[in-house]
Amino acid sequence: GEDVEQSLFLSVREGDSSVINCTYTDSSSTYLYWYKQEPGAGLQLLTYIFSNMDMKQDQRLTVLLNKKDKHLSLRIADTQTGDSAIYFCAVFNQAGTALIFGKGTTLSVSS
Amino acid sequence: ETGVTQSPTHLIKTRGQQVTLRCSSQSGHNTVSWYQQALGQGPQFIFQYYREEENGRGNFPPRFSGLQFPNYSSELNVNALELDDSALYLCASSLGTSGRTRWGEQYFGPGTRLTVT
Repeated sequence: GEDVEQSLFLSVREGDSSVINCTYTDSSSTYLYWYKQEPGAGLQLLTYIFSNMDMKQDQRLTVLLNKKDKHLSLRIADTQTGDSAIYFCAVFNQAGTALIFGKGTTLSVSS
Repeated sequence: ETGVTQSPTHLIKTRGQQVTLRCSSQSGHNTVSWYQQALGQGPQFIFQYYREEENGRGNFPPRFSGLQFPNYSSELNVNALELDDSALYLCASSLGTSGRTRWGEQYFGPGTRLTVT
């Protein structure tokens, strides 16, 4: 079945760039997503990329997609303490009905 | 800020009881999906409703059931609650065509925290 893998933790200093990586097994997803979850909260859609794109930039966020290697990354420029949260990568299943999520990467930003 | 709302925010139930959770989708969205997020895990797909019919189901037993109403709001019902059902329940709304999401946005509500004792 479909699987999404992420590293569990990332620690950076305020002002540095953060790069969160994700690999997935099923390449049929039309869209690939990044969500942010703060403690006790729901999921906030950060950004998504269409599968025929290699890169998408949205203010401080850059998404890179390598379809050959089934690798998705999220770069956050000038990381702030408010960026501390759990970041989830998600892709659609083959039926296009369900999002398959990774376990999430906890980003810790120190000042 | 999305327009997806869920109620209640928190709920405590006893093992064996039944629970109903509610979700109002974002205006203009016709598809609602439900996810269960256990502590420390990513969300797991329960099922999706499109035009009032179930349109895909994850690996959850039949005691998890749902409804979608003509205004596209939705309910998740769980019967015979077990301790392992304790989790954050999230609903997501999107605009779908023939059950497949054609638009990029999948917006989640704030979730309902269910505790089963």
